[in-house]
Amino acid sequence: GAVVSQHPSWVICKSGTSVKIECRSLDFQATTMFWYRQFPKQSLMLMATSNEGSKATYEQGVEKDKFLINHASLTLSTLTVTSAHPEDSSFYICSAGGTGNQPQHFGDGTRLSIL
Amino acid sequence: DAKTTQPTSMDCAEGRAANLPCNHSTISGNEYVYWYRQIHSQGPQYIIHGLKNNETNEMASLIITEDRKSSTLILPHATLRDTAVYYCIVRVGSNYKLTFGKGTLLTVNP
Repeated sequence: GAVVSQHPSWVICKSGTSVKIECRSLDFQATTMFWYRQFPKQSLMLMATSNEGSKATYEQGVEKDKFLINHASLTLSTLTVTSAHPEDSSFYICSAGGTGNQPQHFGDGTRLSIL
Repeated sequence: DAKTTQPTSMDCAEGRAANLPCNHSTISGNEYVYWYRQIHSQGPQYIIHGLKNNETNEMASLIITEDRKSSTLILPHATLRDTAVYYCIVRVGSNYKLTFGKGTLLTVNP
């Protein structure tokens, strides 16, 4: 079946640094990928829609200059958390697929901890 | 997308069928019902989806009422590994966004 790979699985870094998370569709091409964030004991919240070859669409309240999204190919989208601070610590999850009525498939998530 | 209502939590004995209900009374004619589950600290896993007919795959069965205002996900023989949060989501096929509610925490007990 369709597989979405996310890397890294977890990352710990100092406050003020930037962190890049990769999302790859392994056996299909994805013109659209999605980035979610999940805080402890809460549900997934959509952050942005990543569009291949064009600008990402951000949900209300999500800072586009802080969460940079690049979707340069049909199999790769990246999320860069710039100048990360402790409040950015969260579980970040990407998904891909879902054209027509087909389901989206999710990566295993990236646990980001900012010290 | 139409909203869904699910119970906050359910328990099920190992080996028994788990029946997870979902209400989607405002579903429109072209919206599909999708079920995902999320095991702790993992990304959501797709389970099954349907429009109006009942569906079955290797993981589960999906029963959709005739008026499509509710559905039930059935895990025929629950195992301990089925303990997870189960999300019922309705989505128009051409609208790619998935809106996650709080889901149902299913706990399978030995």
